[in-house]
Amino acid sequence: DIQMTQSPSSLSASVGDRVTITCRASQGIRDDLGWYQQKPGKAPKCLIYAASSLQSGVPSRFSGSGSGTEFTLTISSLQPDDSATYYCLQHNSYPLTFGGGTKVEIK
Amino acid sequence: QVTLKESGPVLVKPTETLTLTCTVSGFSLTNARMGVSWIRQPPGKALEWLGNIFSSDEKSYTTSLKSRLSISKDTSKSQVVLTMTNMDPVDTATYYCARISEYDFWSGYYRPFDFWGQGTLVTVSS
Repeated sequence: DIQMTQSPSSLSASVGDRVTITCRASQGIRDDLGWYQQKPGKAPKCLIYAASSLQSGVPSRFSGSGSGTEFTLTISSLQPDDSATYYCLQHNSYPLTFGGGTKVEIK
Repeated sequence: QVTLKESGPVLVKPTETLTLTCTVSGFSLTNARMGVSWIRQPPGKALEWLGNIFSSDEKSYTTSLKSRLSISKDTSKSQVVLTMTNMDPVDTATYYCARISEYDFWSGYYRPFDFWGQGTLVTVSS
């Protein structure tokens, strides 16, 4: 199974800050990676697919990059509504695996 | 408008079999480029993928639960059914179904989880 190591597990930042979350795959997964945002008590929401493609309707302050084993999700200017837990997902090979999550809090 | 909705028991006893239904609308389970996955999330923990089914009836399951899981579909009812046998308290979780789109049989590529159901909390307790 491919392991997805996500870091940090949590972070606290101020409104307007640039925030970066990293996911490392235990083996190469091309660009078969997505990022999901989950707010408490809600279903996850897709932000990014194919490592860097923005899902329709998602604000442009969210961006993704990377290929192979190293991926990043960047929030260019953190907003209060971005307080949530973020997960990466690899779908290069079965079983699909999620990262452990990054909880983002607003200072 | 694409929607998915999970339904099923909120409480099951240990050793019982869980059956959950995902009813979809806004897309067809007969569409060759579509599929549905089941994902679960224990309280306070991370997401865990359980399995997939595509219109061709191609299925895949997570390794650790493969012997206990079965996913099927009823295209006439626009439903995907998850069955998990021998339930244990550690299986207590919110269970989600989610859509897979842009599936290409020849390359194996697909876009996972662009739409999700609201989730249903299943508690395993005697």
